[in-house]
Amino acid sequence: AQSVTQPDARVTVSEGASLQLRCKYSSSVTPYLFWYVQYPRQGLQLLLKYYSGDPVVQGVNGFEAEFSKSNSSFHLRKASVHWSDSAVYFCAVSRDSNYQLIWGSGTKLIIKP
Amino acid sequence: DTTVKQNPRYKLARVGKPVNLICSQTMNHDTMYWYQKKPNQAPKLLLFYYDKILNREADTFEKFQSSRPNNSFCSLYIGSAGLEYSAMYLCASSRGLGGEQYFGPGTRLTVL
Repeated sequence: AQSVTQPDARVTVSEGASLQLRCKYSSSVTPYLFWYVQYPRQGLQLLLKYYSGDPVVQGVNGFEAEFSKSNSSFHLRKASVHWSDSAVYFCAVSRDSNYQLIWGSGTKLIIKP
Repeated sequence: DTTVKQNPRYKLARVGKPVNLICSQTMNHDTMYWYQKKPNQAPKLLLFYYDKILNREADTFEKFQSSRPNNSFCSLYIGSAGLEYSAMYLCASSRGLGGEQYFGPGTRLTVL
């Protein structure tokens, strides 16, 4: 069975600093991988996705993520965070296009001025 | 247009009363989902339609109903609301299962 772990419930970063949000998955095959973001009082928005190919994928607003098969990870990164990045970030996986998404528990990102 | 719309955005309901939430999408997606989202928790899948076939999660089977009169619309129906139903309800759609899901802004349900 697939599972997703986001080990950090909250991450606090100073504005302008770099960011890494961690995501570990468990799957018998290379899954489809996603990062979604939920801004306050809004629905979920897709940041980026990985299906295959180049392990580093670029998303919106300067975010990128790197797929690592050896580490079973799909960590999210940003070189310089802005106060508007404050949100909850969810990692999700699916086995392929015929399977439902399995969601991580989310990481709340707090940006310090 | 990648818009998923939900109505209403906010809903106040009394305990024991029914609740009906509406979702629409114009992307001709074959799959539509309903999630329940509570603070500090992952989205919880309640049910989804793949084309005309409704799939309900085992632990929410008796609590939620849904209908999909056409490809664009999908409703979520709670027959008798309880306090524990207070949450954000998110509708999403996708082309097939397991792929990228597009979410609506959500309906915040408060049960008193």
